Amino acid sequence: DGGITQSPKYLFRKEGQNVTLSCEQNLNHDAMYWYRQDPGQGLRLIYYSQIVNDFQKGDIAEGYSVSREKKESFPLTVTSAQKNPTAFYLCASSPGTSGSDEQFFGPGTRLTVL
Amino acid sequence: GQNIDQPTEMTATEGAIVQINCTYQTSGFNGLFWYQQHAGEAPTFLSYNVLDGLEEKGRFSSFLSRSKGYSYLLLKELQMKDSASYLCAVMDSNYQLIWGAGTKLIIKP
Repeated sequence: DGGITQSPKYLFRKEGQNVTLSCEQNLNHDAMYWYRQDPGQGLRLIYYSQIVNDFQKGDIAEGYSVSREKKESFPLTVTSAQKNPTAFYLCASSPGTSGSDEQFFGPGTRLTVL
Repeated sequence: GQNIDQPTEMTATEGAIVQINCTYQTSGFNGLFWYQQHAGEAPTFLSYNVLDGLEEKGRFSSFLSRSKGYSYLLLKELQMKDSASYLCAVMDSNYQLIWGAGTKLIIKP
């Protein structure tokens, strides 16, 4: 079955620690995205990648970093510089970035920083 | 700035019809998406509109008026499983999705 996987589903970390969230897709999609979802707000774009070894900052990239060494994988690191990291993180992919390309989402990782 | 507005919450009765509105102001327009999201889960794609008019897909229909910056999602024959949040998103001139905060739909028996 093709799809997007994110792990873990729940993650707890102490303040000041870096943490990496994994995202893997086997849909052969070129584009991948990381979003953050907070209660009462729309999804906000953190980073996106249109092709391997290339990525761009989204609206709220500060305190986050990504890599795209393989087409299938787009891990997100939440660094200690992120002031309010507790949130629901969603990874998505799409075939490309044209207007009609719907984004497919992984199940999400809920990060809680204690 | 870019803005997507949706009602925060709506309540409807099982078997009825509900219309969820979305108005937008974005820099450019390359299509409008509706997604469904159950609590704690991933959003799933419902519909895509790029031209004016109504797109029907089973119990769900989506309408777009580009001149008015307006869309609605129409859900017919409501079922309890339709209780979810419905997200409106517009693709702007840079092909980035701008998301509304979502409308939480509560279905009562």
